[in-house]
Amino acid sequence: GDSVTQMEGPVTLSEEACLTINCTYTATGYPSLFWYVQYPGEGLQLLLKATKADDKGSNKGFEATYRKETTSFHLEKGSVQVSDSAVYFCALTGNQFYFGTGTSLTVIP
Amino acid sequence: DTGVSQDPRHKITKRGQNVTFRCDPISEHNRLYWYRQTLGQGPEFLTYFQNEAQLEKSRLLSDRFSAERPKGSFSTLEIQRTEQGDSAMYLCASSLGANGELFFGEGSRLTVL
Repeated sequence: GDSVTQMEGPVTLSEEACLTINCTYTATGYPSLFWYVQYPGEGLQLLLKATKADDKGSNKGFEATYRKETTSFHLEKGSVQVSDSAVYFCALTGNQFYFGTGTSLTVIP
Repeated sequence: DTGVSQDPRHKITKRGQNVTFRCDPISEHNRLYWYRQTLGQGPEFLTYFQNEAQLEKSRLLSDRFSAERPKGSFSTLEIQRTEQGDSAMYLCASSLGANGELFFGEGSRLTVL
């Protein structure tokens, strides 16, 4: 069945460091791929999405490229800020939305 | 549009009691999802509706759980004879179509004593 596997956390980075959170997927058909973010004490919200192969989603300095050949959708940011501290979830649409287990990111000043 | 709203935000109940949560989706969204989330885990799929039809229900979902969306608008999730293991955040989300972005509510936190 459809599923998402994302890198285990937690991840701790210093401010201005580079971030990569790995996400790979298994799916039949042509799913859309998403990254959701959950800030402390808040609900999940969409960070970015890509609807077809080779699409790049971007938002708030974060980027992810839909790679069909490697079935991946890795999240990247060149310079993280303290305000990026949150839990990040990779997700895909199949019959319904499938979420990864989440990766906690803490950015220290 | 005020987004997805859930009620109540917090519920504390004793084991064995029944609880009901309500979700009001974004008005034009035809899909409505229920998820459960526990600390340190991702959202776990429970069920979803397209309009008023319940199209899928998780195989992990006990018979004590039931959901409805009678007029294709708001939805309720009822848990009968609650157990301590039911303690979690119950999330509702809605979308426009199968591949549309999910918009989440802030969740209903259940604590079973």
